[in-house]
This record gives sequence, structure tokens and C-alpha cells, in this order.
Amino acid sequence: GAVVSQHPSRVICKSGTSVKIECRSLDFQATTMFWYRQFPKQSLMLMATSNEGSKATYEQGVEKDKFLINHASLTLSTLTVTSAHPEDSSFYICSAWVAAGDSDTQYFGPGTRLTVL
Amino acid sequence: GIQVEQSPPDLILQEGANSTLRCNFSDSVNNLQWFHQNPWGQLINLFYIPSGTKQNGRLSATTVATERYSLLYISSSQTTDSGVYFCAVEGDYKLSFGAGTTVTVRA
Repeated sequence: GAVVSQHPSRVICKSGTSVKIECRSLDFQATTMFWYRQFPKQSLMLMATSNEGSKATYEQGVEKDKFLINHASLTLSTLTVTSAHPEDSSFYICSAWVAAGDSDTQYFGPGTRLTVL
Repeated sequence: GIQVEQSPPDLILQEGANSTLRCNFSDSVNNLQWFHQNPWGQLINLFYIPSGTKQNGRLSATTVATERYSLLYISSSQTTDSGVYFCAVEGDYKLSFGAGTTVTVRA
């Protein structure tokens, strides 16, 4: 199956700093990628849709100035959490659609666990 | 958006037991996927199943699109089956997830 990677897998930072998370499609091209956030023992919540070469589309309630998304190539999307605070601590997961005839399937990265002190 | 409900929220099984997880959704869908999230957080694709029945080893799934539900069957459960199982459906090119079923398989 398709492989999506994320880096770093875990990051701890001080309050007020910015953190960048990378999401790569390793064996396919992705014009669209998605960023999710997952709190402990909860489901995945879609934050934004990342579009190659254009602006990201954010879900209602997600601050675009807080969560900067850049999709500069067909295999890389980045999420930058700016001026991080403890409430931004969470598990961040990216994904991408893989087209397979009439059965498009979404594949997920392994996630990045962010802890803001 | 499409509402997705999963039941039960928690399931505790003895190794070797069989179980059924359910996913109800509020509107017709073109895409429905089942995932297993392992203890490290990785989501593993189990099935793409907008309709019909599929089997993969000890797992199988059935979606009855006209009645807006899907079932995931786990047979002869093993401790490695533990984790959270999510159902997700597509609307507007985006996936909406249910709350998940947490499965614990005891040896």
C-alpha cells in the first residue's frame, strides 16, 4: 500500500515557540493532503485540507494564523504551529488520498505527538 | 456534514472470541473505510467498503448502503487486535470519523 511519513514523530517545546511538522507521500504524488488533530481517547478531527500550489482550506474554528500550512510540492506538506501553548499539545496526523480506479482510499502518516511545556 | 456513530464504545474480549462492531451513518456515501489505530497511534487501513462484503483473514466487513450501516467482524480475536477501530465516511472529498470502538483482547 501507499506510504505516508511524518517528521518528527515526537516533539517537546517551550511555550511561545513555533514547531514545524512535515508530511511526505513516499511512493505517490498527492495534490491534496489533510491534517487532523486527535486528543487523548478522542476521534480524529479534520483541521485543514492542504492543496499543492494554493492556499489551504481550514475547517470552521481552526485558526489559520495559528496553524500555517504549506504544500510546496506534490510529495510534501508542512504544518507549523506558531507560538505554541500548552493547549496546542496534541497528536497531529496527516493523510492523503490514493486513487485506485473507483476505490480511492485515504492513507495516514504515523502521527506527531506535540507536547508544549 | 455526515454524522457517523459507532457502537459499542468499548469492547473487552477474551482471546479467541468473536465480535461485531457497528457503524451507522446519516447520509448516502460513496466511500467508507475501516481503520485500526494501534497503541502507537498509527492508523492501519482495514477495508474500503462503500457497499457489499469483504474478508481479509480473520477480519471481514459488510456495508448495507441502503440502510446506512456497516459492520466489522473480528473472529478468533488475538491480543494484537487490541486498539481503537474507526469507521470513516467521505463527504465533499473529506473523511468524517466516528468516535471509535476501543477493543481490548485479554490473553
